[in-house]
Amino acid sequence: EADIYQTPRYLVIGTGKKITLECSQTMGHDKMYWYQQDPGMELHLIHYSYGVNSTEKGDLSSESTVSRIRTEHFPLTLESARPSHTSQYLCASALAGGTGNTQYFGPGTRLTVL
Amino acid sequence: AQSVAQPEDQVNVAEGNPLTVKCTYSVSGNPYLFWYVQYPNRGLQFLLKYITGDNLVKGSYGFEAEFNKSQTSFHLKKPSALVSDSALYFCAVSPRSNDYKLSFGAGTTVTVRA
Repeated sequence: EADIYQTPRYLVIGTGKKITLECSQTMGHDKMYWYQQDPGMELHLIHYSYGVNSTEKGDLSSESTVSRIRTEHFPLTLESARPSHTSQYLCASALAGGTGNTQYFGPGTRLTVL
Repeated sequence: AQSVAQPEDQVNVAEGNPLTVKCTYSVSGNPYLFWYVQYPNRGLQFLLKYITGDNLVKGSYGFEAEFNKSQTSFHLKKPSALVSDSALYFCAVSPRSNDYKLSFGAGTTVTVRA
């Protein structure tokens, strides 16, 4: 298992609440990613970062925002949660450069918005 | 743009029989190719990757994959499947020229029956 952590693992919350999903890694990786995945389905990239103060939107449009103030930390925030945000959110990290962009994944956060 | 196709949504095999999970890809130039496995309520675990060299890549848990450039395929194989191999498997690709993002296939659910 890679040293990448996500909290909380499960979150049930009401509509309209602000939430932050935490992701941290201790591997010193420059690249970090957020994916959205419905259970048993494909992954959709929603945000990524190449380093501190670098963030980009991914292939799937998302109402969430991210920040990268420290190398090891890449939190995702939803200002006002809605039932359509119910999904699993996976965080990943990779070492910049080298041979192949092997991404290592955290355990995921299962979000349910009522 | 790169893409991955996993033509089978599900693969069912008996324990002890060979297991094959198919993957074809499309990418500009030479690829990096990956296989990941996901168990229920978990993140993705890296299994193996092809960078260059030998077309047969050996990975974790007895899995291997064969890179075939002419057929643009990277099929995952295991000579003798175990019940514990039952999981969701993802193939992914990135071009060597720009390896910061992976494109994932839709996933193949493997069920190994005792």
